[in-house]
Amino acid sequence: NAGVTQTPKFQVLKTGQSMTLQCAQDMNHNSMYWYRQDPGMGLRLIYYSASEGTTDKGEVPNGYNVSRLNKREFSLRLESAAPSQTSVYFCASRVGGTVNEQFFGPGTRLTVL
Amino acid sequence: GQQLNQSPQSMFIQEGEDVSMNCTSSSIFNTWLWYKQDPGEGPVLLIALYKAGELTSNGRLTAQFGITRKDSFLNISASIPSDVGIYFCAGQLRGGATNKLIFGTGTLLAVQP
Repeated sequence: NAGVTQTPKFQVLKTGQSMTLQCAQDMNHNSMYWYRQDPGMGLRLIYYSASEGTTDKGEVPNGYNVSRLNKREFSLRLESAAPSQTSVYFCASRVGGTVNEQFFGPGTRLTVL
Repeated sequence: GQQLNQSPQSMFIQEGEDVSMNCTSSSIFNTWLWYKQDPGEGPVLLIALYKAGELTSNGRLTAQFGITRKDSFLNISASIPSDVGIYFCAGQLRGGATNKLIFGTGTLLAVQP
């Protein structure tokens, strides 16, 4: 039982390049989330998927798109990377219903030059 | 976006000392969660609280859901070097979207052996 896994662990992009961050969970959770973490800003929600087939914007969605590929997988895409998107990205999952506990992956450290 | 007031921002203590930190808000919460993040890793859930006044322990860690529902406290007894890391509180607002958590900005804990 690996929990929440993320790939890649590190990535360096040039401004304007695109990439997709992958996230998968093996806990049969219904809800999945993408956050970014910046110094002094805490964790900020980018997008979330309450259940398979649905996605919604979070607090900072601009410049990102997501796909809930199936119940296990939730990907985050940067279409045209900008230096302001340099951050650490975390995926999380939650079983759903009235249980609010979220479980996080190990993160992807992204640098945009 | 809304964030929780978490204090202190950082603590530098000697091994064996007890530690206290807290999160406060002007809003009422249904759930309080406490996470620990080690350097280069994702947040790991320590304790979940769902009822006002609830006191829950996990080894040397004890957390409480404040009676007013607007705050929560985390205590660590007899600290050891592996307690080093950043501790985050997170809460789910009463009346807020059940899918979303609000995060504190973290307390950095350093333990001197």
